[in-house]
Amino acid sequence: RKEVEQDPGPFNVPEGATVAFNCTYSNSASQSFFWYRQDCRKEPKLLMSVYSSGNEDGRFTAQLNRASQYISLLIRDSKLSDSATYLCVVNLHSGGGADGLTFGKGTHLIIQP
Amino acid sequence: GAGVSQSPSNKVTEKGKDVELRCDPISGHTALYWYRQSLGQGLEFLIYFQGNSAPDKSGLPSDRFSAERTGGSVSTLTIQRTQQEDSAVYLCASSLVSGGNYNEQFFGPGTRLTVL
Repeated sequence: RKEVEQDPGPFNVPEGATVAFNCTYSNSASQSFFWYRQDCRKEPKLLMSVYSSGNEDGRFTAQLNRASQYISLLIRDSKLSDSATYLCVVNLHSGGGADGLTFGKGTHLIIQP
Repeated sequence: GAGVSQSPSNKVTEKGKDVELRCDPISGHTALYWYRQSLGQGLEFLIYFQGNSAPDKSGLPSDRFSAERTGGSVSTLTIQRTQQEDSAVYLCASSLVSGGNYNEQFFGPGTRLTVL
């Protein structure tokens, strides 16, 4: 089983719609979780950390389900500029020690006008 | 302030040649990471430097790959006797600390390596 799994998509979504995608992780000892965004041929950039209680940042909501070992990202009122690849990142440790940091392959999102 | 910079931005080389890729992290960042990303694939961790500690080399795919970080700042990733499967984008990232729940990694623009 892959350590971090994501549906590669692409998700084709009309502008203004709500879209959600999940990421599952295999190691139950994982402690910290993040969503990164990567635009085509660009470097990844942190979108948001994922906290146990769930957290929201504007139109973006992240949820963590430790029992089922998945993380979700919800985007409301999607914009054309949301088109990108969303990378799920899981860390075995509470910090950033790279020995436990694993990136998913990403979910490709296309917002259509 | 300046972000993470990498050079060259593109490198085309012939199979069997050695290449050096450079990363300048954000000033003051103690942690530095190298990843590579093949077309359509996720990020593959290569090596990690934290302060003056011995680097975590667990992700290096073979002994043809090596990296060093001089003076706790600039890092160089060296690939010896390049193979076609080494073709990828090599990304460098740095972070301020390696602890705490919030530990954003700032990525450089990457070096696109093509081995002919």
